Amino acid sequence: DAKTTQPTSMDCAEGRAANLPCNHSTISGNEYVYWYRQIHSQGPQYIIHGLKNNETNEMASLIITEDRKSSTLILPHATLRDTAVYYCIVRVAGSQGNLIFGKGTKLSVKP
Amino acid sequence: EAGVAQSPRYKIIEKRQSVAFWCNPISGHATLYWYQQILGQGPKLLIQFQNNGVVDDSQLPKDRFSAERLKGVDSTLKIQPAKLEDSAVYLCASSFSDGTYEQYFGPGTRLTVT
Repeated sequence: DAKTTQPTSMDCAEGRAANLPCNHSTISGNEYVYWYRQIHSQGPQYIIHGLKNNETNEMASLIITEDRKSSTLILPHATLRDTAVYYCIVRVAGSQGNLIFGKGTKLSVKP
Repeated sequence: EAGVAQSPRYKIIEKRQSVAFWCNPISGHATLYWYQQILGQGPKLLIQFQNNGVVDDSQLPKDRFSAERLKGVDSTLKIQPAKLEDSAVYLCASSFSDGTYEQYFGPGTRLTVT
């Protein structure tokens, strides 16, 4: 079973920041938080991952709370092409790489 | 760089028939994964290869599903005989190695079993 809880769906206005929350209250000290997204009819796409510090790349920012029990993925300026299902996944560092996907959050970016 | 290639993109078969899917991972990626994604759900790992050896096939229904990765590059996933509940998208992914490296997914093969 997935070890994360995400809202089923969210809406965001085009050009605004999209903030996608994820709860992972049972996360262990050696588990990373990963985010992937899946645009309709495509395979999942890696976005970002982090352990305890906030992370930023060209796609998004990841904010992890100090107790690591929750995190937020931020798309700073959402576009229509960001409409997708976003998956938050926790995974043990150095593991064999298994990703356990839940149902994710369906983000709809509206004009 | 070229992404993960999969074929065919779509396949329709009748139950009890057999079907095979092909995957060509990103060049240099040692780890290859096959996932099954049923409509409305997230992908579920079926099997993981490291080079040409199986690392994890605990969720592969071995009575009907088989997979191989000859020479540690391309891989095929076969279903024989297919059941109605096998209707799903079959996704192939690859990564540089195991552990924390991100996985790159192909476009998937949509299988419909009638």
